[in-house]
Amino acid sequence: EVQLVESGGALVQPGGSLRLSCVVSGLNFNIYWMGWVRQAPGKGLEYVANINQDGNQKFFADSVQGRFDVSRDNAKNSLYLQMNSLRAEDTAVYYCAKWNFAFDSWGQGTPVTVSS
Amino acid sequence: EIVLTQSPGTLSLSPGERATLSCRASQSIRNNYLAWYQQKPGQAPRVLICDASSRVTGIPDRFSGSGSGTDFTLTISRLEPEDFAVYYCQQSGSSPWTFGQGTTVEVK
Repeated sequence: EVQLVESGGALVQPGGSLRLSCVVSGLNFNIYWMGWVRQAPGKGLEYVANINQDGNQKFFADSVQGRFDVSRDNAKNSLYLQMNSLRAEDTAVYYCAKWNFAFDSWGQGTPVTVSS
Repeated sequence: EIVLTQSPGTLSLSPGERATLSCRASQSIRNNYLAWYQQKPGQAPRVLICDASSRVTGIPDRFSGSGSGTDFTLTISRLEPEDFAVYYCQQSGSSPWTFGQGTTVEVK
């Protein structure tokens, strides 16, 4: 069974930083692109970032470009999202997801709240 | 970036009826890399369709996708009670990838 489990969500002050993690099991992690998608309270889905199998190709939404970074550790079957210079509008549930022609497996999400 | 506009915002239908959801792109989507997702309250999204018209394994055949270029459609041929949810389109033809704002299919 494929499982994606996110962690690291928290309450953080504006301007602060946070690192989210996603541990993946039940599949050959290192052959898939992976990504992060977020959902603000009561709002729709928003693409955040994605990364290729080797970690040497990364793409970001315009809204997070230059503030967020995505990385992976294939030895640990783990995906990460480093979030810096956080803003109130970054408040959302953050999902990690596996990419295979679409985001076809998702975690349960981890909540991030940016507030003073 | 490619903007995806979904319509209508809300679709009020009865079980057994046909649902037609639209997703229009601000520019042509390369190779028709367009996916559809279903999301129910408190749950993560679930992919239904990829590459505009390819149904994902395990998805009932009442769900179908069509379209190309800038205009795409998700059709649910006969709504079952479990189909009332929010539906999103998403493109991966151009970076950055983007989602539409969603269409809610609600019980009339």
